[in-house]
Amino acid sequence: AQSVAQPEDQVNVAEGNPLTVKCTYSVSGNPYLFWYVQYPNRGLQFLLKYITGDNLVKGSYGFEAEFNKSQTSFHLKKPSALVSDSALYFCAVRADDDYKLSFGAGTTVTVRA
Amino acid sequence: EADIYQTPRYLVIGTGKKITLECSQTMGHDKMYWYQQDPGMELHLIHYSYGVNSTEKGDLSSESTVSRIRTEHFPLTLESARPSHTSQYLCASSEVAGGLGDTQYFGPGTRLTVL
Repeated sequence: AQSVAQPEDQVNVAEGNPLTVKCTYSVSGNPYLFWYVQYPNRGLQFLLKYITGDNLVKGSYGFEAEFNKSQTSFHLKKPSALVSDSALYFCAVRADDDYKLSFGAGTTVTVRA
Repeated sequence: EADIYQTPRYLVIGTGKKITLECSQTMGHDKMYWYQQDPGMELHLIHYSYGVNSTEKGDLSSESTVSRIRTEHFPLTLESARPSHTSQYLCASSEVAGGLGDTQYFGPGTRLTVL
């Protein structure tokens, strides 16, 4: 079984400040981890993924995420948030022997001007 | 944006109607998925396919059915819609990228309302 926890329903930050969206996971075997973003009335857009290698992964729109195996975490970060980053963010995990993804409940990010 | 399309984008229908939600992708991906998502909530996998003539039920029980006759096409059908089917339905596709794992790419979704 595999699962994802996003402990914060909402994250509020001021524009220009660092943004962090937390994610922890549980999976048997090696994890494949993903971050997606969803804007209102849209599908999910892929941001970045961790498969293997460097624990710091860089993705689209200036986002990055750090894989921490000991803490089973994969937090999403952006050094300087923009108002346009306001959206719903989903973390997802799958095991290395399964193509099905398990999604977290999502975190709503609001960046105020 | 990935080349995956869903129609219609919005649909309002009455109870008891038969509906088909269309999903097509032009990327040649062998794997396709249907998710159900209530607004602002998590996604639940309801169907998936690993190739032509292959379909499986997902983790969330659904009264819908799917078919995969062509690689690019993965329609979802509700034989008799009910208000409990009101939700957003997201289609996705993926392929294995160099054997290191695949990325699912999503369509824009169909927002279904059953009156």
